[in-house]
Formats: sequence, structure tokens, C-alpha cells
Amino acid sequence: ETGVTQTPRHLVMGMTNKKSLKCEQHLGHNAMYWYKQSAKKPLELMFVYSLEERVENNSVPSRFSPECPNSSHLFLHLHTLQPEDSALYLCASSQGRTGVNEQFFGPGTRLTVL
Amino acid sequence: QKEVEQDPGPLSVPEGAIVSLNCTYSNSAFQYFMWYRQYSRKGPELLMYTYSSGNKEDGRFTAQVDKSSKYISLFIRDSQPSDSATYLCATNLLSGGYNKLIFGAGTRLAVHP
Repeated sequence: ETGVTQTPRHLVMGMTNKKSLKCEQHLGHNAMYWYKQSAKKPLELMFVYSLEERVENNSVPSRFSPECPNSSHLFLHLHTLQPEDSALYLCASSQGRTGVNEQFFGPGTRLTVL
Repeated sequence: QKEVEQDPGPLSVPEGAIVSLNCTYSNSAFQYFMWYRQYSRKGPELLMYTYSSGNKEDGRFTAQVDKSSKYISLFIRDSQPSDSATYLCATNLLSGGYNKLIFGAGTRLAVHP
């Protein structure tokens, strides 16, 4: 285990539903990330929180809404999603802002939008 | 042009083969070059990294960076079925006061007995 947990592991939702993804890190890190992973495409960085402050919002549609209540927890709130949003959503955490910036990933939430 | 290009494969090799995985990148400002390994139903995990040009060896794995040609390689010697996974190259860029990772698409590797 990497010390980063994600729930749920699988989620199927309709386009009109509202759901939330949860991430928790037990590593004492000060930065947390949301990525989208689609088949045969690079990991797409969605959001970055550093010291609980959002420092990156990578042109993500407003139907994705992140929340970071403290340095250990990260949420991704979902509403009125589209079928093309179906993907693996990965959470990661890291410590520090310089150097190699090793990121530790959770196992991901496999999201299917019907 | 993508910042990091990687052939998605799949690549299938027999056990014991030498595997070569490669990426190219476009920005000469990149400094750290990483290889992540992702098993099925798991998140990526850092396998090894190099700083600037040169080689780095760790057991059966060797990472190589050629900054003059903007080329990143990972070699796996004596490949094992347990090496079957998707390998993602990545590099970093200091942006907005934090360290941003940029990933390739990943190459799926299958090592068959």
C-alpha cells in the first residue's frame, strides 16, 4: 500500500447524478493532486492543492469541483457529468515543492458515466 | 506537439528478454526524468529517476537520459512475468511555485513465460 486511499473504487453514475470521490493520505504530505487517466492518453493533471490552497486548476470543466478540508483529505465533487468523463480518477500526494517531487498515488476510482 | 511522447505499445516479450522503453520530450528546461510503473487496478508508483543526463542502474533496471537528443530510456534486463505492467515516463517543471509532473501516455508491457 502506498499510504494513499481512495473511495469508492468503482462508480457508475447517470448524467444527472451528483457524487463525490474521496482521497485520504496517511503520509504527512503537504500537497495533493487529482489526475484523470484515460486509455492511451497521458495522465491529465486536474487540480493541485498545496498547503490546502488550490494552486492549479488545469482548465477543468466546472462540473468537477474539488475540496481540500485539511492536508490529509481531498474530495472531487461530480455533477451533471458527460459520458466522455468516464475514466480512472487518481489521487496523489507529495511532500515539498522542489526536487524530484515523488508523488504517491492511490489505486484510483474507475468512473463510468451512463 | 505533446511535451512528453511515449509509444503506448503494447509490447510483448518472452521471459528473459531485454526490454527497451523510450520517450522523447520537447522542453529543454526539464530536469528530473522519472519512470513510474502501474500494475493493473493500481495507481502508478515511482520506479526510479535520474537528474539531468546520464545513466542510473537499480538491479535489473537502467534509466538513461540523453538531453542532447531529448530522449529518455528504461532498460529491463532478464525480464520477468512480474514486470508485466504499464510503464509511464515523466518529467517535472517548476510552475506557479510548485513542481508539476508531466507524463507520457504509458507503454503496456507483457512478459510471457
